[in-house]
Amino acid sequence: AQRVTQPEKLLSVFKGAPVELKCNYSYSGSPELFWYVQYSRQRLQLLLRHISRESIKGFTADLNKGETSFHLKKPFAQEEDSAMYYCALSGRGTSGTYKYIFGTGTRLKVLA
Amino acid sequence: DSGVTQTPKHLITATGQRVTLRCSPRSGDLSVYWYQQSLDQGLQFLIQYYNGEERAKGNILERFSAQQFPDLHSELNLSSLELGDSALYFCASSEPDIGFDGYTFGSGTRLTVV
Repeated sequence: AQRVTQPEKLLSVFKGAPVELKCNYSYSGSPELFWYVQYSRQRLQLLLRHISRESIKGFTADLNKGETSFHLKKPFAQEEDSAMYYCALSGRGTSGTYKYIFGTGTRLKVLA
Repeated sequence: DSGVTQTPKHLITATGQRVTLRCSPRSGDLSVYWYQQSLDQGLQFLIQYYNGEERAKGNILERFSAQQFPDLHSELNLSSLELGDSALYFCASSEPDIGFDGYTFGSGTRLTVV
């Protein structure tokens, strides 16, 4: 089955501590992976994508094809990182159309 | 402003009723996607339109339908509403459907069914 799994609904860390938001996927083919963030009362916005291998707001994510994972990491959490984070996948399905699958999200709370 | 406009922002209606949610994509984007965000199920893909045609379908109920008009705005119609349909409905748009270069999301319509 094709799916994106974010095992943690809620992750609480202290300010300054490292953060790792887990994302595992199941997909036959070569998907593209993304992380989206939703701050309180704001719309979802793209945080980063694996093809660009960029670092946004101190976050990085490495695609591990062997482990089918795309964990989001930040070495030192800040209070303003508190938000809902969604891992997402895009890939061409067997019918030729694109599939877009989001994980259920992880709420990150950074404690002072 | 991200360029994706959704109206209304809030909607309260009774069970059994029908509502229409509207989305105007970012200028130049041909694809429009609808998502349902609920507390227990996260973000669920409902349906995608590309330049007026249905392109992909997700977990969309038969009571729900959508369309994209020649000016590229899209409407999501929800009928025979049930309490469980209460959720935040997001529209997103993207450039041509040759890949997924990242969506631009609207701010959503919060639907409350009472």
